[in-house]
Amino acid sequence: QVQLQESGPGVVKPSETLSLTCIVSGGSINAYKWNWIRQPPGKTLEWIGYVSSTWSTNYNPSLKSRITISMDTSRNSFSLELTSVTAADTAVYYCAREWSAFDFWGLGTMVTVSS
Amino acid sequence: EIVLTQSPGTLSLSPGDRATLSCRASQSVTTYFAWYQQKPGQAPRPLIYGISTRAPGIPDRFSGSGSGTDFTLTISRLEPDDFAVYYCQQYEYSPRTFGRGTTVEVK
Repeated sequence: QVQLQESGPGVVKPSETLSLTCIVSGGSINAYKWNWIRQPPGKTLEWIGYVSSTWSTNYNPSLKSRITISMDTSRNSFSLELTSVTAADTAVYYCAREWSAFDFWGLGTMVTVSS
Repeated sequence: EIVLTQSPGTLSLSPGDRATLSCRASQSVTTYFAWYQQKPGQAPRPLIYGISTRAPGIPDRFSGSGSGTDFTLTISRLEPDDFAVYYCQQYEYSPRTFGRGTTVEVK
């Protein structure tokens, strides 16, 4: 059974960079698309972007200028960097595998942007 | 960007009732359309992918249908565990987009 686990700081200061990692277990990262999704409190889900097994990336245009998603095959993990954060970036951040839709999700990690 | 409009926003029903949730897309989606269930404090759980295929372990009281711009999730007989928020999603085009959700609550 594939499992995903997000990790990263719970609080990030305004204007700084948010960095999250998703470790994949129970399967190889050398296939599929690996996504980041976020959900502000009380709101719907917002797709951030993905990195594929061929190392290509695809980002949400609304965030494209601020995000980088990368993959580390040696650690079977992928990462998200979001620069110049503001309070609007406060959300639960999920990582998910894309094959039959988003078929495996991490538990999510809450990130609060606050000074 | 494809906008997904879910209706109704809230559905108040009793256990044993039939639930019909709708999702309308701003542009045609051919194949890659999904539904998720989310409970408070949990990650979304995939229910349906490819418009009508149940995800592994999903009971057959859940069914998906539709084509083009109109899609439906039907829960044939609500069980207590089914009261939650349901999201539709298209993953055919980028950016992937989600609807705003339908809350199925106990009447």
